[in-house]
Amino acid sequence: KQEVTQIPAALSVPEGENLVLNCSFTDSAIYNLQWFRQDPGKGLTSLLLIQSSQREQTSGRLNASLDKSSGRSTLYIAASQPGDSATYLCAVRGGNQFYFGTGTSLTVIP
Amino acid sequence: NAGVTQTPKFQVLKTGQSMTLQCAQDMNHEYMSWYRQDPGMGLRLIHYSVGAGITDQGEVPNGYNVSRSTTEDFPLRLLSAAPSQTSVYFCASSPTWGGRGSTDTQYFGPGTRLTVL
Repeated sequence: KQEVTQIPAALSVPEGENLVLNCSFTDSAIYNLQWFRQDPGKGLTSLLLIQSSQREQTSGRLNASLDKSSGRSTLYIAASQPGDSATYLCAVRGGNQFYFGTGTSLTVIP
Repeated sequence: NAGVTQTPKFQVLKTGQSMTLQCAQDMNHEYMSWYRQDPGMGLRLIHYSVGAGITDQGEVPNGYNVSRSTTEDFPLRLLSAAPSQTSVYFCASSPTWGGRGSTDTQYFGPGTRLTVL
C-alpha cells in the first residue's frame, strides 16, 4: 500500500523567505504527483501536477520537482507572502486511486 | 460553471441514523470520488466512479454506499452512522480517467462537516 509522508507538519517563516516543502512516497510506480493547497474550512485547489516521466513543473513562484526513483518530491516557494499561508498537500496517483499526505501547515509572518 | 458542489455544509447525526451527502458537478467529468479528511490522517479515498453506472471501493469503504446514475451526481450514503464517521467529507471530480500520461487534475468541492453523536 502506498504511504505518503510530508515533513515538516508545520512551518513558520518570515515574509520574503524562500522555502521548501517535502513529500516522500513508498511505491515508485506512480502515474503522477500533485501538489494542492487547502485554506482553512475550504476544499483543495490544485497547484501543480508532475507526470511520472517529468522531473519538474513551474507555475509563477512555485516549482515542484519529482525524483521517482528515490520516492521524493519537493515544492519550492520563492519570495513567500502572507497570502501563501495555508496547508499544502501532496498526492500521488497509482492506478485508479490517489494517495494523500497529511500536509504541511505553512504560516508566513508579515 | 458552479464546479463541484456539496450539500449540506454541516450535519449532525445521532448514532444509527442514515443520511445522504450530495455531490454534483457541471463540468461533464467522467471521474468522481469521495474522500474523508481526519486530523493527522490526510485524505482517504472512500469510493470512486469512472463513469455513470460504474463505481468501485477505495481505501475506507465500510459503512458507505455510492451510486452513479448520471454523469453529474455522485451521492454518498451513510447506512447507519457511527461516531467513527465524524469527519470532513470531500467530493472531487476529474475530466477523464486517463492512463499513465494523464494530466487531469481533480477539482474539489467545499466539503461537508459531519458530526455523529
